[in-house]
Amino acid sequence: SSELTQDPAVSAALGQTVRITCQGDSLRTYYASWYQQKPGQAPVLVIYGPNKRPSGIPDRFSGSSSGNTASLTIAGAQAEDEADYYCHSRDISGNHAIFGGGTKLTVL
Amino acid sequence: QLQLQESGPGLVRPSETLSLTCSVSGGPIGDYYWGWIRQPPGKGLEWIGYIYRSGTTNHSPSLKSRLTLSVDTSKNQFSLSLAAVTAADTAVYYCARTVASYQYIDVWGKGTTVLVSS
Repeated sequence: SSELTQDPAVSAALGQTVRITCQGDSLRTYYASWYQQKPGQAPVLVIYGPNKRPSGIPDRFSGSSSGNTASLTIAGAQAEDEADYYCHSRDISGNHAIFGGGTKLTVL
Repeated sequence: QLQLQESGPGLVRPSETLSLTCSVSGGPIGDYYWGWIRQPPGKGLEWIGYIYRSGTTNHSPSLKSRLTLSVDTSKNQFSLSLAAVTAADTAVYYCARTVASYQYIDVWGKGTTVLVSS
């Protein structure tokens, strides 16, 4: 079982703001990073650290954290945002890395 | 622009050793962690482990007893060896670069599919 817990699926209407969450005790200490994965492709980093976006990632993607929950927010979801999203951080021991189980985002 | 490319056999027999190499181009193996992530068919991402250029490693506890990671800075390559494979090791294997600060993965290989089957 994963020590980072994500909802398996989330849906949003086109243009709606959607939040994808990741829960785990280690998130009280460590930042989460977020990855977007489309079918048949390698994951792509979208958020890391304290709400930092890599070059080329639209500013509708943002990250936040509160307590044991990290969140990825997409402000105004687009059709091209439909993908699987994974959080990544440390495990509860802090010694190893781990991924959340992933959230499938459907944009309606 | 840094690029990573996985290479290795696409088919491995059960109980044998899976060996993959990741070639780094567009830059040196510098002050980063170089690692592996896998994804079984239809499932999520699983962190395998990473290695620093000095040879220091960090492995997933669930794989540690079967896993060997190595790095060859002269060839700009790093490698994974997973012993005693079973069908559960069938997956797409990605090599990746982890940035030490904030521990995030900023560069991924395209992935290589490994099937464990007799």
